[in-house]
Amino acid sequence: KAGVTQTPRYLIKTRGQQVTLSCSPISGHRSVSWYQQTPGQGLQFLFEYFSETQRNKGNFPGRFSGRQFSNSRSEMNVSTLELGDSALYLCASSLLAWITGELFFGEGSRLTVL
Amino acid sequence: QKEVEQNSGPLSVPEGAIASLNCTYSDRGSQSFFWYRQYSGKSPELIMFIYSNGDKEDGRFTAQLNKASQYVSLLIRDSQPSDSATYLCAVRVQGGSEKLVFGKGTKLTVNP
Repeated sequence: KAGVTQTPRYLIKTRGQQVTLSCSPISGHRSVSWYQQTPGQGLQFLFEYFSETQRNKGNFPGRFSGRQFSNSRSEMNVSTLELGDSALYLCASSLLAWITGELFFGEGSRLTVL
Repeated sequence: QKEVEQNSGPLSVPEGAIASLNCTYSDRGSQSFFWYRQYSGKSPELIMFIYSNGDKEDGRFTAQLNKASQYVSLLIRDSQPSDSATYLCAVRVQGGSEKLVFGKGTKLTVNP
């Protein structure tokens, strides 16, 4: 059974640019969550999608957005990048995350903003 | 107040010892608690969950929950060098926007 696939794995951007990250969940999983991980703040919840609808959203500015497609694949977008956006962005899929809490994480997309 | 707090460590124990990891949370209504393990350079993976007060054992791992005191702990018996990782406590926070909130993690090193 294939795991969660995130692309790209590494990317470098400059301030002011935008970036789109992609996540393909485990087959059959309809819930996709996104987290930002930094050494100082740890894992911070960005948003969660289920059946193409955003269920929950964390405390991030509107520059962070996402969407989910009918095949459960998800993308997140960060516009007007800031230095502080440098982080590992983790996508996690689940059958029913808000009930079981069992998240299956991808390897992450490491974003560096220069 | 942070929603989920953990001692960042590092926590260092000798091989074969018991490692004790602690976590406190602020949402008194939380009902579900999880421990994830994250090896360096890897993504987190779920190792245990607990819903009821008391202890839950799974092999060398025991999760303990005390809702009155709002803390949850993870004990690792007979610690092995392969247990060296960062352990993340996660709490399902309710009230409005239900979500899984993670602590910053405790880095554990098991010395051979």
